[in-house]
Parts: sequence; C-alpha cells; structure tokens
Amino acid sequence: GENVEQHPSTLSVQEGDSAVIKCTYSDSASNYFPWYKQELGKRPQLIIDIRSNVGEKKDQRIAVTLNKTAKHFSLHITETQPEDSAVYFCAASNQDAGNMLTFGGGTRLMVKP
Amino acid sequence: AAGVIQSPRHLIKEKRETATLKCYPIPRHDTVYWYQQGPGQDPQFLISFYEKMQSDKGSIPDRFSAQQFSDYHSELNMSSLELGDSALYFCASSPPDRTIGYEQYFGPGTRLTVT
Repeated sequence: GENVEQHPSTLSVQEGDSAVIKCTYSDSASNYFPWYKQELGKRPQLIIDIRSNVGEKKDQRIAVTLNKTAKHFSLHITETQPEDSAVYFCAASNQDAGNMLTFGGGTRLMVKP
Repeated sequence: AAGVIQSPRHLIKEKRETATLKCYPIPRHDTVYWYQQGPGQDPQFLISFYEKMQSDKGSIPDRFSAQQFSDYHSELNMSSLELGDSALYFCASSPPDRTIGYEQYFGPGTRLTVT
C-alpha cells in the first residue's frame, strides 16, 4: 500500500517568514495530493490540493509543488501569520481506485509573533 | 454551505460496550469515508462507501462494522470496545463529479473515550 513520509515534524518560524513542508510517497499510482490544516481537536480542513497532471498550484499565500519522478510534493506558505499555527498533514490517494487518503505524520507549525 | 454532520460529538463508553457513530454527508455527496485519529497521530483510513456499497476497507478491526443507508448517511458500529479505541473518529464525504476528481471534506468528528 501507499506510504507517505512528512518532514519536518515541527517547524517554528517568525511571523512574516516562509514555511516549507515536504512529503514523499511510495505508490506511483497515487495521483491526488491534498494538504490539510488541523487545529487542536478540530477537523482537518482542506487548504490546497494538486493532481498528478499539474506541477505547481498557488492560492494566495499558499503554494504546492509536485515532482512525480521523485515522488515528492511540498507545501509553501509565505508571509506566515500567527493564525497559520496548526498541524499540517499531507496526504496521497489514487482517485481511480477508491480515493482513500494516506496521510503523512503531520507537521506542527508554530508562527511566533 | 452545508457541511458534513457527525453525531454524537462526544461519547464516553466503558470497556466491552458498544457504540454507534453517525455521519451525514454534504448534500449530493455519494461517497463517505471513515477515519480514526489517535492522540498526536495522523488520521487512519477505516472504511468507505460509494452509492451505499462498501468501496474499500483499511485498518478497521473486525469488531467494527459500517454501512451506508439509502439517504447516504453512514453509521459506524463498534462493539467490544477497548481502551485503545479511544480516538477522534472523522467522517468525510466527496461529491460524485468524477470528471474533475473529488476532494474529501471532513466532519467535526466524534471524540470517543473508552474507560
């Protein structure tokens, strides 16, 4: 089955700095890569996603890049704000075969004001 | 916009008891997924349903069963509860538009505590 690894497990940045979180996946059949933000005790919230036919996608301060050859994808957050502090999960799935998500271990992002 | 609804939000049970968790997907979403998230862990896929039929099975114990009903809501039945079953249980739903793929939207979760 799919295995997703995520680094770093914790990330502390100063407000206004950029944050980068990286994930690798093992199953070359995976074709959908969402990122979720989760605050303590709350639901995972989809913040951005990318499909395997796209190399990069951007939404305001958030961008995701995908390297299919290397089987890795990254989340980039620019101009970080204290409210960006949360746990971020990457995930992978095969949308042609059930679409069940396999999550990375999560990154706790702390943005210091 | 309507979101995924889960009930109850909190549930306390004793060991060996049973529990039933309910999930109401976003209207017109036909696929439901169940995930279990232990403290400090990532969500783990349990089981999914598409058009009222079981679609895929993940790391769901034999003590657990689930189904999707004609109105697309789903129930996760958990029997012989163990302390290790204490976790957040999330339901997610996704829409039927396969032409563009389908994102999963999570409900607020049910926090199950087994004592």
